[in-house]
Amino acid sequence: DTAVSQTPKYLVTQMGNDKSIKCEQNLGHDTMYWYKQDSKKFLKIMFSYNNKELIINETVPNRFSPKSPDKAHLNLHINSLELGDSAVYFCASSSTAGFRSNEQFFGPGTRLTVL
Amino acid sequence: GESVGLHLPTLSVQEGDNSIINCAYSNSASDYFIWYKQESGKGPQFIIDIRSNMDKRQGQRVTVLLNKTVKHLSLQIAATQPGDSAVYFCAENYPNGGKLQFGAGTQVVVTP
Repeated sequence: DTAVSQTPKYLVTQMGNDKSIKCEQNLGHDTMYWYKQDSKKFLKIMFSYNNKELIINETVPNRFSPKSPDKAHLNLHINSLELGDSAVYFCASSSTAGFRSNEQFFGPGTRLTVL
Repeated sequence: GESVGLHLPTLSVQEGDNSIINCAYSNSASDYFIWYKQESGKGPQFIIDIRSNMDKRQGQRVTVLLNKTVKHLSLQIAATQPGDSAVYFCAENYPNGGKLQFGAGTQVVVTP
């Protein structure tokens, strides 16, 4: 059973298009995240939601809009895609309670290529 | 072999040798630290963690050392195996917000 899943795994699209990436976790966690990993493998947090509420919103263009319909899902919608948006996007989840709170479990990533 | 993280992003180590991966963290108030392993084409996976009230923690073939005086974290891998080839990240937890700040990563290449 996949703990944190993302779809699609690969996404190739033209500049200017709008696209969405979906994330689901079956761990019962209350916090979910989106990260962007660039070509040099640097991982940067973009957003974090706790119980469907936005709690972290780093300096990210407003073309990026996260949506959390429930605690188990956090989707990322990107408008007017640009070349610089090409990266691997990771979803993660964690629990604020328990022995190892704040340990984040990562999904397999979505490789976005903007042409 | 030994790396200094940001200054030596690739660590080449012979199979069977011990590896040491170093990480300098930024926030003296960080209270929790994690090492992650990221294999090619996959998401980061938890290896070992340590809280700020400890200076050493051991797992299976891995040991994490924490030196709060100089804000330094290291990961030691004993008897490195080909399956240990990956990018390793340290991450520090910023309190009062639960944000994990990741380091730049170190690529470990295990040679036969």
